Amino acid sequence: GAVVSQHPSWVICKSGTSVKIECRSLDFQATTMFWYRQFPKQSLMLMATSNEGSKATYEQGVEKDKFLINHASLTLSTLTVTSAHPEDSSFYICSARNFLDRESYEQYFGPGTRLTVT
Amino acid sequence: LAKTTQPISMDSYEGQEVNITCSHNNIATNDYITWYQQFPSQGPRFIIQGYKTKVTNEVASLFIPADRKSSTLSLPRVSLSDTAVYYCLVDDDTGRRALTFGSGTRLQVQP
Repeated sequence: GAVVSQHPSWVICKSGTSVKIECRSLDFQATTMFWYRQFPKQSLMLMATSNEGSKATYEQGVEKDKFLINHASLTLSTLTVTSAHPEDSSFYICSARNFLDRESYEQYFGPGTRLTVT
Repeated sequence: LAKTTQPISMDSYEGQEVNITCSHNNIATNDYITWYQQFPSQGPRFIIQGYKTKVTNEVASLFIPADRKSSTLSLPRVSLSDTAVYYCLVDDDTGRRALTFGSGTRLQVQP
């Protein structure tokens, strides 16, 4: 099946710094990717929809200036957490669909990135 | 967007069949029902998807009644490695909508 990768798998940063997380679709092109955030023992919460070649669409309550999303190619979307604070510590997961696959609407998820802000 | 409701948690023993039911009363005509599995500190993994009646693959079966207002994920002969959170989601046939995750069902399999 299709594979979505994320890098890094975990990162520790200091308060006030910025962190970039990459999401790649390895064997298919993804015009749209999704970014989720998951706190311990909670469900996934959609943060934003990343569209190749255009601005991302953010969910209500998600600060677009803090969580910068860039979808510069059909296989890569990046999420940059700017001026990170301890409350941004979470598990960040991206996903993508292979829209050329007409037989499945499966959404492929990355392995996630554990961000810890100290 | 149809909301889904499923039990918060379930317990089972190895070798038993586990059935997790999800209700989605407001499901739309062009919506599909999809189940994902998530282990701690991993991204969700697709299990099965269906529109109506019954769908079976190598890991699970999905039962959907005629009114489609609920669905049941059936895991035959669970093992310890099936301990995970299972999410029931409703998605449209465009495949372009982000998934809305509910609370999921935390399945604990005991030896």
